Amino acid sequence: DQQVKQNSPSLSVQEGRISILNCDYTNSMFDYFLWYKKYPAEGPTFLISISSIKDKNEDGRFTVFLNKSAKHLSLHIVPSQPGDSAVYFCAASATTSGTYKYIFGTGTRLKVLA
Amino acid sequence: DAGVTQSPTHLIKTRGQQVTLRCSPISGHKSVSWYQQVLGQGPQFIFQYYEKEERGRGNFPDRFSARQFPNYSSELNVNALLLGDSALYLCASSFFGPTGTEAFFGQGTRLTVV
Repeated sequence: DQQVKQNSPSLSVQEGRISILNCDYTNSMFDYFLWYKKYPAEGPTFLISISSIKDKNEDGRFTVFLNKSAKHLSLHIVPSQPGDSAVYFCAASATTSGTYKYIFGTGTRLKVLA
Repeated sequence: DAGVTQSPTHLIKTRGQQVTLRCSPISGHKSVSWYQQVLGQGPQFIFQYYEKEERGRGNFPDRFSARQFPNYSSELNVNALLLGDSALYLCASSFFGPTGTEAFFGQGTRLTVV
């Protein structure tokens, strides 16, 4: 039972354009969401997070949008740069569950073309 | 400042053997979590420790165990290794549990069981 889904295994975008990565979740108890970036042979690097009390959070070129009614979140990268090429994971947590864990999606491989 | 450090970085073991993986969290972080990542999947939660107590456990067999030491470092032990245990094992630290805070990952330990 995949509670966090990233339905696009890969995405290619031209340098300078917007990259939009999508994530869907099924568990309505999830109330904290994160995006991580992963390069080969490295651990995931935290990018940005959002609490369910918000619907948008920005940090530089990265913006995360949360649509609770649709159980959907997205990561926007503007403008995209070749160094953004990596695998992106979304993760979710139910902070009131008493069990402290993140549930990760399967990842989307982003390739930014120069 | 040192990030999350894991040792060893690579390990080859034989089926049936036991393995111990080590993790040092970021200074000041009291929570350590362990995740398993197999190829093509997102990280899967194994354990979380906070203030030396187990706060969460994922859907892994009893062959997997962990502990946290007074200095907040942690060990993950896996007994009776199976071929299917081959994966990247990730350690993450956070100031509290994942409740409303991000987790920072180490570079991982690549375990190969032959």
